[in-house]
Amino acid sequence: DVKVTQSSRYLVKRTGEKVFLECVQDMDHENMFWYRQDPGLGLRLIYFSYDVKMKEKGDIPEGYSVSREKKERFSLILESASTNQTSMYLCASRPGGGTIKTQYFGPGTRLLVL
Amino acid sequence: GQQVMQIPQYQHVQEGEDFTTYCNSSTTLSNIQWYKQRPGGHPVFLIQLVKSGEVKKQKRLTFQFGEAKKNSSLHITATQTTDVGTYFCAGRLTGGGNKLTFGTGTQLKVEL
Repeated sequence: DVKVTQSSRYLVKRTGEKVFLECVQDMDHENMFWYRQDPGLGLRLIYFSYDVKMKEKGDIPEGYSVSREKKERFSLILESASTNQTSMYLCASRPGGGTIKTQYFGPGTRLLVL
Repeated sequence: GQQVMQIPQYQHVQEGEDFTTYCNSSTTLSNIQWYKQRPGGHPVFLIQLVKSGEVKKQKRLTFQFGEAKKNSSLHITATQTTDVGTYFCAGRLTGGGNKLTFGTGTQLKVEL
């Protein structure tokens, strides 16, 4: 059974703070993703990684960075949190290969920036 | 702007009524996946469609992929309270690389 875990379910931070969101998967998946979910906008892709130390920008990368030092771990970093980054953040992983396969999501982190 | 739209954004139905959500892309999709997110939960994979015009069924759920591979639908027959949640479509856009673009989602509420 695939398991994707995220470091926190709820997080409250102040404007300007540096925020780290951690995601770990236990299925040796090559691909990992960070999304944010906002009402009426669905899931929007922030960054993704298809291998260790590799990263690619998604649709809304501004204000975020990522790190993938180990295959199982993908971190999302908010260098200087702002109130418009208040959102639900979802991590996902997926096996590699040419065809698109099922994505497995973590439980999400609800971030509030004051 | 948003490339994959879903309508409606919200739907309230009485238990036993049918429900349909539509997914429309501005560009051709190489595949379409559907996910369900229960309230307070995370998206869970339901199904994937790949072929033009493909139709798949899972019990009371029927999924269709349009002939032009630019739209899809999910139809639930005789809704139950367990169907409550948000339904998302997601697809790989032609020329969009190896990533999925998610739709805006349809939130379904089922009342007794």
